[in-house]
Amino acid sequence: EAQVTQNPRYLITVTGKKLTVTCSQNMNHEYMSWYRQDPGLGLRQIYYSMNVEVTDKGDVPEGYKVSRKEKRNFPLILESPSPNQTSLYFCASSFRLAGDRAGANVLTFGAGSRLTVL
Amino acid sequence: GNSVTQMEGPVTLSEEAFLTINCTYTATGYPSLFWYVQYPGEGLQLLLKATKADDKGSNKGFEATYRKETTSFHLEKGSVQVSDSAVYFCALSPIYGSSNTGKLIFGQGTTLQVKP
Repeated sequence: EAQVTQNPRYLITVTGKKLTVTCSQNMNHEYMSWYRQDPGLGLRQIYYSMNVEVTDKGDVPEGYKVSRKEKRNFPLILESPSPNQTSLYFCASSFRLAGDRAGANVLTFGAGSRLTVL
Repeated sequence: GNSVTQMEGPVTLSEEAFLTINCTYTATGYPSLFWYVQYPGEGLQLLLKATKADDKGSNKGFEATYRKETTSFHLEKGSVQVSDSAVYFCALSPIYGSSNTGKLIFGQGTTLQVKP
């Protein structure tokens, strides 16, 4: 089954304790991205990656890191989590189709990771 | 800049009622427009899309028409079901010249509750 898999789905942690949320896709997608979802704000992009070893900041990158060493994996790293990073996080992926700008943006989302930082 | 504004929720309807969820956008050029749906406990799924003015996207009885003159992409369904209860997100894909970063700009989401 084609899917984006995130882990963990739920996590409660404390301020300053490093954590990683993993994301893996089995569709051979070039493009991957992380979003956070907060009430009243919709989804905001944190980081994205166009392909292996190519990453760039989204709209709210502060406090986060990413890496793209393999095509299928795109982990989100919180080096020193703070309470304002309490949120619902989504990983997403898609193909990048030359000449089809909409096709490049039909994202497949993971089920989400709910993170609470105390 | 680019932005998407959706009507405030929650929207509560009885089964078989007519649904409209308003969405307006601000963008440069001709963005692509999307509606995504999020069922409880799940990630977002594409519901429908439109890539140019006057295009109508449709799926599962839902429709939305890309109106450039009013910068709108309102979601409609003629007869909702309890199973349509979910959060609906309007989104746009900005066009940055010849590049495509793949980013979507989302509205804040509208919760729909359908009662039997």
